Amino acid sequence: AQSVTQLGSHVSVSEGALVLLRCNYSSSVPPYLFWYVQYPNQGLQLLLKYTSAATLVKGINGFEAEFKKSETSFHLTKPSAHMSDAAEYFCAVSDSGGGADGLTFGKGTHLIIQP
Amino acid sequence: SAVISQKPSRDICQRGTSLTIQCQVDSQVTMMFWYRQQPGQSLTLIATANQGSEATYESGFVIDKFPISRPNLTFSTLTVSNMSPEDSSIYLCSVDRGYNEQFFGPGTRLTVL
Repeated sequence: AQSVTQLGSHVSVSEGALVLLRCNYSSSVPPYLFWYVQYPNQGLQLLLKYTSAATLVKGINGFEAEFKKSETSFHLTKPSAHMSDAAEYFCAVSDSGGGADGLTFGKGTHLIIQP
Repeated sequence: SAVISQKPSRDICQRGTSLTIQCQVDSQVTMMFWYRQQPGQSLTLIATANQGSEATYESGFVIDKFPISRPNLTFSTLTVSNMSPEDSSIYLCSVDRGYNEQFFGPGTRLTVL
């Protein structure tokens, strides 16, 4: 069975600092991996996805993530945090790219931006 | 991206009653998914709805409690039956439009008293 572990339920960074949100996955097949963002009282928005092409994936709003098979990780980074980045971030995995199967989500990481 | 709407956006219901949540997509899709997000928690897949066949439920979710309809390729409903306070959650539908991406609706925030 596939699973996702997000380390740190809350991460606090200063505005302008590096953002690093950690995600480790477990999957019996080469996985499809996703990062979603949820702003307060809003639905989920796809930030980026990994689908076995380039291991470094660039997404929206300046975020990127690197797939490391040896570490079974897919950590999300942003070089310089902005106040508008404050939100809940979810890492998710699918064995089939989410097409025929649903997604398995991590518990989420609440990103706090300090002024 | 897909445009997905859900009705109602929120509701407050009494225990023992049922609520039907609607999900409408702006174009035809094969698979639709229903998720639950309990307060302060992550999302959990309830079931997968494929047009023309019975929904497939995940472990811990049963059809009697969460009946799903999928009458056409742009619409689905999820009913939360015989509700209890433990059913208070945000219920979200999602669709896959290809390119290995799922798009989510805005969610229905349900409070059961």
